[in-house]
Amino acid sequence: DVKVTQSSRYLVKRTGEKVFLECVQDMDHENMFWYRQDPGLGLRLIYFSYDVKMKEKGDIPEGYSVSREKKERFSLILESASTNQTSMYLCASSPPSQGCEQYFGPGTRLTVT
Amino acid sequence: KNQVEQSPQSLIILEGKNCTLQCNYTVSPFSNLRWYKQDTGRGPVSLTIMTFSENTKSNGRYTATLDADTKQSSLHITASQLSDSASYICVVSRWNSGNTPLVFGKGTRLSVIA
Repeated sequence: DVKVTQSSRYLVKRTGEKVFLECVQDMDHENMFWYRQDPGLGLRLIYFSYDVKMKEKGDIPEGYSVSREKKERFSLILESASTNQTSMYLCASSPPSQGCEQYFGPGTRLTVT
Repeated sequence: KNQVEQSPQSLIILEGKNCTLQCNYTVSPFSNLRWYKQDTGRGPVSLTIMTFSENTKSNGRYTATLDADTKQSSLHITASQLSDSASYICVVSRWNSGNTPLVFGKGTRLSVIA
């Protein structure tokens, strides 16, 4: 079974703090993705990576950065958290072929106060 | 514009009843369409996947259909159970699109009550 794990299920941070969300997958997948999910908006792609050290902007990259130093780990960084970044964050991974299933982690519910 | 529209936005049904969720898309070039189930507080899990040439695909009590001509898909749930309560998300994959190949619908929130 593919397993995608995220470092925290729930996280509460203050405005201006630097926040790290970690994602690890155990299936040697090339592709990894970070989404945020908000009520009425569905899943929106923040950043993705097709290989180690590579990153590409998704639809809403502003206010976020990412790091992929190892194939199995993809980190999402909020340099200075703001209240509008309160959301559910979902990490996913997939094999390299287009159209392959993305396997999702359990999500991190981030609250910025 | 590449879009995936789902209806209804939410639905409440009695346990044991059947229901059908709809998905219309304007995504091109089309590669495949996938239905995901997302339990509250969890990540989405794939239920079915259909390519251009497939009209129907079943997974237990879940049956998905695809009409590539009208760009419509449906997910039919038979003999619903309380555990079917979840959000169902329709996702269309674009062929050879490079960046951001997946287009997500906003989901249908299904509640099954006893």
